[in-house]
Amino acid sequence: AQRVTQPEKLLSVFKGAPVELKCNYSYSGSPELFWYVQYSRQRLQLLLRHISRESIKGFTADLNKGETSFHLKKPFAQEEDSAMYYCATGAGSYQLTFGKGTKLSVIP
Amino acid sequence: ETGVTQSPTHLIKTRGQQVTLRCSSQSGHNTVSWYQQALGQGPQFIFQYYREEENGRGNFPPRFSGLQFPNYSSELNVNALELDDSALYLCASSSALGRGGYTFGSGTRLTVV
Repeated sequence: AQRVTQPEKLLSVFKGAPVELKCNYSYSGSPELFWYVQYSRQRLQLLLRHISRESIKGFTADLNKGETSFHLKKPFAQEEDSAMYYCATGAGSYQLTFGKGTKLSVIP
Repeated sequence: ETGVTQSPTHLIKTRGQQVTLRCSSQSGHNTVSWYQQALGQGPQFIFQYYREEENGRGNFPPRFSGLQFPNYSSELNVNALELDDSALYLCASSSALGRGGYTFGSGTRLTVV
């Protein structure tokens, strides 16, 4: 069965500091990995997916199959990055399995 | 281009009752998935519909059922409500079975008392 682990419920960083939100997954085969973000009072939205290898809002994430990780990183945190972040995995018909989420708080 | 809309936004039901939640997919999307998000948890996959057929199901009992209509709007029905069914129910639509990523609705907050 697919499983996604986000070990931190809450992560607080100062503005301008680097950010790393951890995500580990278990999946047999070739999974698709995603990061979704939910800003305050907004709906869940796709931030990035590993196959596109994009950088969105300064965030990047590299799939490490050896460590089964897909950590989300940003070199300099901004106040507007404060949100709930969910890592998710899916394959085939993209029936997503989500982690429990990490709340990122950027301190001004 | 419209997004995903869900109705109602909030709902209170009594244990044992039945409930129907509705979702209007984003224009051009033929795939819809439903998720249950309990407080403090990530969304949990309930089932997916593609071109009006169920295309996958998560670990939910048969009292959770759904429909997708020719215009790709969708319903989630829950029978014999239990207290643990209290959650935020999210609808997400996509084209091509989710390959382009999902667009989520704002959800329906169901409270079972």
